[in-house]
Amino acid sequence: GQSLEQPSEVTAVEGAIVQINCTYQTSGFYGLSWYQQHDGGAPTFLSYNALDGLEETGRFSSFLSRSDSYGYLLLQELQMKDSASYFCAVRSNYQLIWGAGTKLIIKP
Amino acid sequence: DAGVTQSPTHLIKTRGQQVTLRCSPISGHKSVSWYQQVLGQGPQFIFQYYEKEERGRGNFPDRFSARQFPNYSSELNVNALLLGDSALYLCASSLVPGQGSNQPQHFGDGTRLSIL
Repeated sequence: GQSLEQPSEVTAVEGAIVQINCTYQTSGFYGLSWYQQHDGGAPTFLSYNALDGLEETGRFSSFLSRSDSYGYLLLQELQMKDSASYFCAVRSNYQLIWGAGTKLIIKP
Repeated sequence: DAGVTQSPTHLIKTRGQQVTLRCSPISGHKSVSWYQQVLGQGPQFIFQYYEKEERGRGNFPDRFSARQFPNYSSELNVNALLLGDSALYLCASSLVPGQGSNQPQHFGDGTRLSIL
């Protein structure tokens, strides 16, 4: 089967750094994406990794290791507005296969 | 520029009824995908359309169907509604299907469907 595993919940302090891990097992793989979704809102695109290594976009970075079927999203200088659910998703053929999401709770 | 728009925003139906959900992609985007998101879970892929043709189908029963129009807007139809169809239905658009390339999908705010 096809599956993505990520922690259900992560708690961090405002201003800190947090890492959300994702491991995947899919029949096809064209890249790993990360999306943010606030309660009641639409998912918004954060990053995409097709090749091994680190991609940096402002306070957010994403890493991929295809040999380990593993990736992570790194959020720095956490702000209260970063409280949301974060999803990893694998592009496989014409579809995105999503993890169940990680709820990020930020404490002041 | 307008983002992805979906209508209606909320809908209440009873078991056995039929429903049609609508989606208008971002101007210039030719690919539309539909997802079902049950509370507390990630979105599940239903369909992808590109240039009015179905390019992918997820693991959903034949009660689910969709189409894409010449202006690239799309409709999702669900027949014989079941209680388990209660979910947030998301539409996403992208320039092209995006296989093997960095083509982020842009999501609408969704239609929240409740089945009584």
